[in-house]
Amino acid sequence: SQTIHQWPATLVQPVGSPLSLECTVEGTSNPNLYWYRQAAGRGLQLLFYSVGIGQISSEVPQNLSASRPQDRQFILSSKKLLLSDSGFYLCAWSEGVGTYEKLFFGSGTQLSVL
Amino acid sequence: AQTVTQSQPEMSVQEAETVTLSCTYDTSESDYYLFWYKQPPSRQMILVIRQEAYKQQNATENRFSVNFQKAAKSFSLKISDSQLGDAAMYFCAYRSAANGNKLVFGAGTILRVKS
Repeated sequence: SQTIHQWPATLVQPVGSPLSLECTVEGTSNPNLYWYRQAAGRGLQLLFYSVGIGQISSEVPQNLSASRPQDRQFILSSKKLLLSDSGFYLCAWSEGVGTYEKLFFGSGTQLSVL
Repeated sequence: AQTVTQSQPEMSVQEAETVTLSCTYDTSESDYYLFWYKQPPSRQMILVIRQEAYKQQNATENRFSVNFQKAAKSFSLKISDSQLGDAAMYFCAYRSAANGNKLVFGAGTILRVKS
C-alpha cells in the first residue's frame, strides 16, 4: 500500500534562517506531488506541484522553492525565512490521470517563524 | 478563476443528529470534480466524499451524502447520525482539467459535535 511521509512535524525557525521540509512517497511510482500551505484558520493554498523529476510548477510568487530530486521525493526550501512563511505545510500525492485522481495528504509540518 | 466559498465558519450539531455544511463554487467549466475533505485535530487531511459533475446522482458514503446542484453551483455535505469523531474542520474543494487538475479549496467550516 502507498504511504506518504512528511517531516518534521513541527519546526520553529528564526527569521532569515534557511528551511528544508522533506516529503517522500512509498508504494507508487511517478506520482504527482504537491505542497500546500494552510494559514491559521484558513483553507489550503497550493504552492507547488510536480508531475515528474525536475518538473516543478509554482502557483504563487513567494519566498519558497521546491525541488524533486527523485521520483518519490519532494522538498520545500527557503534560503531566508520570513515571518509570513509561518503556517501549516502539507505535502500530498495523487495517482491517476485527468480529473479522476484522488489526493492523499501527509501529516503536515507546523512551521513557526519567530 | 475558479473559487470555492464556504459561508459557514463554524457549525454545531448534537450527537446523533444531522448537520449540513454549505459550499458554493464558481466555474465556467462543465466537467469537474467536487470533494469534501475532513481535517481532524491531528491536522491530517482525509477525503470524505467525491462527486463527478457529469453525474446527476448525489454521492453517498455511509453517513455522509452530498446535495449537488449543478445549475446553482452548490455542493453541500450532509452528515447523518453525527458522532463525536466527526468533529473536525471540513473543506470543500474543486478540481477540473481546465484548471490543471489542481485542487482549489474553500476556507473551511469547523464542525463541533455536542454530546
